[in-house]
Amino acid sequence: DTEVTQTPKHLVMGMTNKKSLKCEQHMGHRAMYWYKQKAKKPPELMFVYSYEKLSINESVPSRFSPECPNSSLLNLHLHALQPEDSALYLCASSEGTAWNYGYTFGSGTRLTVV
Amino acid sequence: EDQVTQSPEALRLQEGESSSLNCSYTVSGLRGLFWYRQDPGKGPEFLFTLYSAGEEKEKERLKATLTKKESFLHITAPKPEDSATYLCAVQARNTDKLIFGTGTRLQVFP
Repeated sequence: DTEVTQTPKHLVMGMTNKKSLKCEQHMGHRAMYWYKQKAKKPPELMFVYSYEKLSINESVPSRFSPECPNSSLLNLHLHALQPEDSALYLCASSEGTAWNYGYTFGSGTRLTVV
Repeated sequence: EDQVTQSPEALRLQEGESSSLNCSYTVSGLRGLFWYRQDPGKGPEFLFTLYSAGEEKEKERLKATLTKKESFLHITAPKPEDSATYLCAVQARNTDKLIFGTGTRLQVFP
């Protein structure tokens, strides 16, 4: 298995809703990442988990809450989002943050906040 | 500050018309430079990693090269299926971050 699987593929949520994005990989990768990508912009790093511990939080608002239950799973919990949070949310994994191997990205979750 | 600049922003090519995409970077100690391809609504697809100046890598019609200040992605005899956004990213030493450029949107017409 050489894929990063993200669910759901599309999500529409209201500003008072609570939802979660899920990311899964079975490549034995020890680092996992959340990126946010707006239309026609490059991906922007949100969080990095290394060996299931949060190693980087790029000053992301607390309405985004990451969780890494085990080495294969990464969640992003969403609460009280704003319309400007609408974007493509990408999960990625790599063999480890100490190595400069290419990241493997999932296909993303297209989030729309209404 | 670590930075990545890609040019051109957009490129239209006739099928078979070879060209190059540029990625200029400034980074405090390069760990690696990455090229990705991204189709609309999809996640980036890994193409190459380059580690040191002078290195070259090839994959089908694509060839990536690296100098101390920039990288080129050469596309030889492109086909319409090569149409995508090509992203360049760098990773500095002692960091877990990838810094992406804004990408080059390539369109190849039959």
